[in-house]
Amino acid sequence: GDSVTQMEGPVTLSEEAFLTINCTYTATGYPSLFWYVQYPGEGLQLLLKATKADDKGSNKGFEATYRKETTSFHLEKGSVQVSDSAVYFCAQGTPYTGRRALTFGSGTRLQVQP
Amino acid sequence: DVKVTQSSRYLVKRTGEKVFLECVQDMDHENMFWYRQDPGLGLRLIYFSYDVKMKEKGDIPEGYSVSREKKERFSLILESASTNQTSMYLCASSTKLLRGNQPQHFGDGTRLSIL
Repeated sequence: GDSVTQMEGPVTLSEEAFLTINCTYTATGYPSLFWYVQYPGEGLQLLLKATKADDKGSNKGFEATYRKETTSFHLEKGSVQVSDSAVYFCAQGTPYTGRRALTFGSGTRLQVQP
Repeated sequence: DVKVTQSSRYLVKRTGEKVFLECVQDMDHENMFWYRQDPGLGLRLIYFSYDVKMKEKGDIPEGYSVSREKKERFSLILESASTNQTSMYLCASSTKLLRGNQPQHFGDGTRLSIL
């Protein structure tokens, strides 16, 4: 079945470092792709999304580009802050199977040190 | 903004009890979902509902049931709680437009402990 693979964490960075969290997906066709963020003790919040190839989603300084040729949707941020410490989940939609639920990766914990 | 509200943030129950987790959304969404989240396993879909009184099993439905009597409310039921059901439970909702490609909106989660 469809799956989403994320790099394992934790990822530990110093403040103002560059962030990349890798994500690859397996759904056929053109699924929508999402990044969610989960801060400690909270539910998941939608961070950004992209709905077609070469789309770039962006929000709060984070960006991710929908790459059909490599089936990837890597999350990037140029300069992380301590407040970005959280767990990040990549997810894909699956429109062609009729499945209404998104498929999530296992999550990547980011720790940013001052 | 979409608001998904879960009735409890923390819940402690005993083995064998019948446990109800409640979820309400205020955006008239057709789809509602229950996930559990465990370290190293990410989010796993338990059940979802695409309409009132309609439900479908997710990836791990064993030991759970659901109820959707009203469009805005989706309940998860642990028929006879067991210690391996100790987990974080997340409720989500989404619109049915562009089925399978809509973002899901999550509640803050219920951390359930079964003693």
